[in-house]
Amino acid sequence: DAGVTQSPTHLIKTRGQHVTLRCSPISGHKSVSWYQQVLGQGPQFIFQYYEKEERGRGNFPDRFSARQFPNYSSELNVNALLLGDSALYLCASSTGRGRANQPQHFGDGTRLSIL
Amino acid sequence: AQSVTQLDSHVSVSEGTPVLLRCNYSSSYSPSLFWYVQHPNKGLQLLLKYTSAATLVKGINGFEAEFKKSETSFHLTKPSAHMSDAAEYFCVVSDPSDFQGAQKLVFGQGTRLTINP
Repeated sequence: DAGVTQSPTHLIKTRGQHVTLRCSPISGHKSVSWYQQVLGQGPQFIFQYYEKEERGRGNFPDRFSARQFPNYSSELNVNALLLGDSALYLCASSTGRGRANQPQHFGDGTRLSIL
Repeated sequence: AQSVTQLDSHVSVSEGTPVLLRCNYSSSYSPSLFWYVQHPNKGLQLLLKYTSAATLVKGINGFEAEFKKSETSFHLTKPSAHMSDAAEYFCVVSDPSDFQGAQKLVFGQGTRLTINP
């Protein structure tokens, strides 16, 4: 079975632009989470979606938004890009609604560079 | 809020020798704990998880971890290092968010494991 897939793999943008990142979860997984990993640090939680609704949000500004579609795929949108948004954006999926002991399965990420 | 501290930013061992990656956690709940590995330019792969069953947890590729509540530790070990083990390792605690039951993973800063031939 295919794992979590993310697109694009790399992206270069300039300050002030907006970007859309895409994620397809593992088949049968209904929950999608987004994480930001700045170089040299551990990933930071941005959002979790389950059944097309936002179930959790990390400490990120309103420039960050996301949505989940009926097929459980997801998009992460970032507006008014800043240099500090340069990072690896990771998508993770899990089987159901936020039980703490459920492992999340990660894609390979989208590397976003802001010039 | 839950947190994780990985005590070593970089560990270097020789091939065939034991590996120890140290992790302490802080949790106000009965925690769920995970170890993930990240190879260069790749996503994160689950190595093992602790979810309040056996305190000694076996994972993939010969790794195991022991949950010690009294020490709030969850150290990762492997008896014999392999060149392919060279990667970044993250200790993770699951934080059940109070916002409609979301599950937020809280990551440590990571430990870079180098294997010397």
